[in-house]
Amino acid sequence: GEDVEQSLFLSVREGDSSVINCTYTDSSSTYLYWYKQEPGAGLQLLTYIFSNMDMKQDQRLTVLLNKKDKHLSLRIADTQTGDSAIYFCAERAKAAGNKLTFGGGTRVLVKP
Amino acid sequence: GAVVSQHPSWVICKSGTSVKIECRSLDFQATTMFWYRQFPKQSLMLMATSNEGSKATYEQGVEKDKFLINHASLTLSTLTVTSAHPEDSSFYICSVAGEPQHFGDGTRLSIL
Repeated sequence: GEDVEQSLFLSVREGDSSVINCTYTDSSSTYLYWYKQEPGAGLQLLTYIFSNMDMKQDQRLTVLLNKKDKHLSLRIADTQTGDSAIYFCAERAKAAGNKLTFGGGTRVLVKP
Repeated sequence: GAVVSQHPSWVICKSGTSVKIECRSLDFQATTMFWYRQFPKQSLMLMATSNEGSKATYEQGVEKDKFLINHASLTLSTLTVTSAHPEDSSFYICSVAGEPQHFGDGTRLSIL
């Protein structure tokens, strides 16, 4: 079955870059997503990448996809205190009937 | 602006009460919506797929008689937690199927 894994916690200083990593197992993944969740809130879509792409950049966010290694990363440039949140990666795979499978989430703490 | 509207955002009620949560697709007609449950400091767990005009598809281990789903129109799905008990207290989030998948802001349910 499908499985998505992330590291639990990341601490970064304000102004530095953050890199959040995610691995997945399902080779039939079509889309991979990054969502942000602030305390008590729902999920905010940050960015997503189609499985035939290697990289996608959107302002401060850069997504890298290594399909061979089934590794996805999200880089946040010039991290701000407002970036403190939980970040979830998720995959949409044909084998899962196009449902989303989420990782456990990475809690990012930005220190001033 | 918001793509998905979820209501209410927070509800507190007595044990034994039934609680209805609404999920509305604001921008487009949605034949498929999803309902998730999230426990504190955990990831999202898919409960069921809501299908417009037909029965919902429940994930393994989710009681369909406890969590009633109705998707009577292309813009509205409702989740009713019947005879709620303290163990049903959780954060419930809906999403609208699409590319990408957008989420509501969640409903925090507290059963006393």
